Amino acid sequence: DTEVTQTPKHLVMGMTNKKSLKCEQHMGHRAMYWYKQKAKKPPELMFVYSYEKLSINESVPSRFSPECPNSSLLNLHLHALQPEDSALYLCASSHASRDKGTDTQYFGPGTRLTVL
Amino acid sequence: AQTVTQSQPEMSVQEAETVTLSCTYDTSESDYYLFWYKQPPSRQMILVIRQEAYKQQNATENRFSVNFQKAAKSFSLKISDSQLGDAAMYFCAYRFAGGTSYGKLTFGQGTILTVHP
Repeated sequence: DTEVTQTPKHLVMGMTNKKSLKCEQHMGHRAMYWYKQKAKKPPELMFVYSYEKLSINESVPSRFSPECPNSSLLNLHLHALQPEDSALYLCASSHASRDKGTDTQYFGPGTRLTVL
Repeated sequence: AQTVTQSQPEMSVQEAETVTLSCTYDTSESDYYLFWYKQPPSRQMILVIRQEAYKQQNATENRFSVNFQKAAKSFSLKISDSQLGDAAMYFCAYRFAGGTSYGKLTFGQGTILTVHP
C-alpha cells in the first residue's frame, strides 16, 4: 500500500482566516514533505520532516506553519495568506534512514487551495 | 547546484505508438537517483520509474523504460504501446543519494503528453 491521503481536497479561504491542511500515511515512512505547485509547473519543496523533526524549511513565509504530531501525520497550518498563495499543496512521504538518506517519495492527491 | 532540464514542453503520440520523453541533468555527484513521475489531470503525482545511478542496467516497468546515459547525463523515458491513460504531465526528477540531503528532489519543468486515439 503506497497511499498518502490528504484532506480537504479543496479549500477556499479569506486572507484573514486560519485553516489547516492534513496529510496522513500508514506506510511506516519517517520522512514527510510539503510541496506547493502552481498550474503546469513542477512542485516546489516547502518543508521536510525527518523522524518528526523539521529538517528543511525552504525559506517559506511564516504564514505557513508545519507540524508533525507523530510519524503518520503531517499538518500545514495556514494564517493570513495572500491570493498568490493559491495553489495545489502536495504532501509526500518516504522511508528515511539516517545512514542512507531517504528513499522514493510517494505523493498524496493534493489540496487545491484558493485564497480570496 | 543540480539542475534538471526537460526540453520538450509538449509531446503527442498516437494510441499504440511509442514516444520518448527527454531529460538531461547536471550534477557533480556520482551517487544519485533519477525518477520519472506522472501527473494526470486528476493531479496526483505517481511514480513511473526509478533509476539508481550506480546501476548500469536501464530500469523498466511494463510499458515504461528508460535510457540512462550516465556520462552524457541523460535520462529519457520511453513509453511503448501508448494508451489514452498515459496522457499526463511527466516530470523528471533528481535526488542526491547522500545521507544528509533529506530526499530533496530537483524537478524538471515537465512535459505535457497528449495521446491521440
